[in-house]
Amino acid sequence: AQSVSQHNHHVILSEAASLELGCNYSYGGTVNLFWYVQYPGQHLQLLLKYFSGDPLVKGIKGFEAEFIKSKFSFNLRKPSVQWSDTAEYFCAVNALNTGFQKLVFGTGTRLLVSP
Amino acid sequence: GAVVSQHPSWVICKSGTSVKIECRSLDFQATTMFWYRQFPKQSLMLMATSNEGSKATYEQGVEKDKFLINHASLTLSTLTVTSAHPEDSSFYICSARPLSVETQYFGPGTRLLVL
Repeated sequence: AQSVSQHNHHVILSEAASLELGCNYSYGGTVNLFWYVQYPGQHLQLLLKYFSGDPLVKGIKGFEAEFIKSKFSFNLRKPSVQWSDTAEYFCAVNALNTGFQKLVFGTGTRLLVSP
Repeated sequence: GAVVSQHPSWVICKSGTSVKIECRSLDFQATTMFWYRQFPKQSLMLMATSNEGSKATYEQGVEKDKFLINHASLTLSTLTVTSAHPEDSSFYICSARPLSVETQYFGPGTRLLVL
């Protein structure tokens, strides 16, 4: 079965610090990869996604993620975080073997950015 | 674009009663909708995949007779929690996938409390 691992459950940063959140998945076949963000009291929003092509994808709000197939990873990065980035971040994967139907989520990383 | 709504946003009910939650795609048609459950401080767990006009596909361990799903149109899916018990208290989230698109868009969730 597919699984998604997010290594950091909680991250605390000061404003302007750089961010990298790890995400690894277990499936060896063709996958689509996503990062979603959930701000306090709000619903999940899509930050960025990778389907194919350039493994470095840019999303909204200055976020980017790099797909490294050999490492089964899709880490999220932002060079300089802001207080408003305080949220929970979820990595998610769907795979060709489920017709890209089933989205499997990681356990999430809670990011707290202190002003 | 790609807005998904849920109704109600929260509901409190007595043990033994049934509760219906609606999920609507407001500005697109969705052949597939998904229902997730999120426990406190945990990730989203897929409960079932709902395809318009056909029976839902339930994940292992999810009781189909307890969580009734109906996807009668391309913009509406409903989840009915039958004979609710306190252990069914949770945050239920739906998502919808537009035609020919492999990205899911999430609703704001419904918080259910069973007394």
